[in-house]
Amino acid sequence: EDQVTQSPEALRLQEGESSSLNCSYTVSGLRGLFWYRQDPGKGPEFLFTLYSAGEEKEKERLKATLTKKESFLHITAPKPEDSATYLCAVRPSGGYQKVTFGIGTKLQVIP
Amino acid sequence: DTGVSQDPRHKITKRGQNVTFRCDPISEHNRLYWYRQTLGQGPEFLTYFQNEAQLEKSRLLSDRFSAERPKGSFSTLEIQRTEQGDSAMYLCASSPQGASSYEQYFGPGTRLTVT
Repeated sequence: EDQVTQSPEALRLQEGESSSLNCSYTVSGLRGLFWYRQDPGKGPEFLFTLYSAGEEKEKERLKATLTKKESFLHITAPKPEDSATYLCAVRPSGGYQKVTFGIGTKLQVIP
Repeated sequence: DTGVSQDPRHKITKRGQNVTFRCDPISEHNRLYWYRQTLGQGPEFLTYFQNEAQLEKSRLLSDRFSAERPKGSFSTLEIQRTEQGDSAMYLCASSPQGASSYEQYFGPGTRLTVT
């Protein structure tokens, strides 16, 4: 069964203090790995899709990277508005649509 | 387009009652997904529709749960004989066909509380 493990579960950063969130995964053939942002009481917001090891994607202060076993979400010089829960998810190959999510990393950026 | 919408946003019901939730996807999206999310957990996949066809169902979707997408547009999720363990946020997502099909756009969710 597909598994996604995210660490740390919670992270507190000072504004401007860069860091990385980790997502380790086990899947029977990776079709795609996804990063989402979720604010309290809202649905997840799509950030990135990564398809193969070595791939990188960037959006503003966020950069996602992928290896064969894990993905990292690097946050450069975060701002308080980056505070949210960041979710990682995987979709297996084989034509299935089921996506398995991790429990997320709750990020708090302090001014 | 205003994105995925869900109705109601909140529902409080007594154990044993039936509830129905509605999801309106982004208009040009033919793929629709239902998820359940409990506090401190990530979303759990429940079911997937392509147009009006229900193509995947999770083992989490017990006999008390049923989902429909009768005309390939909006979808409903019904829970019969609700139990306290059904209390959760029910999320709907949609995605287009083609190259961007992996990008799922989520609605705001329906928070269900079973008393």
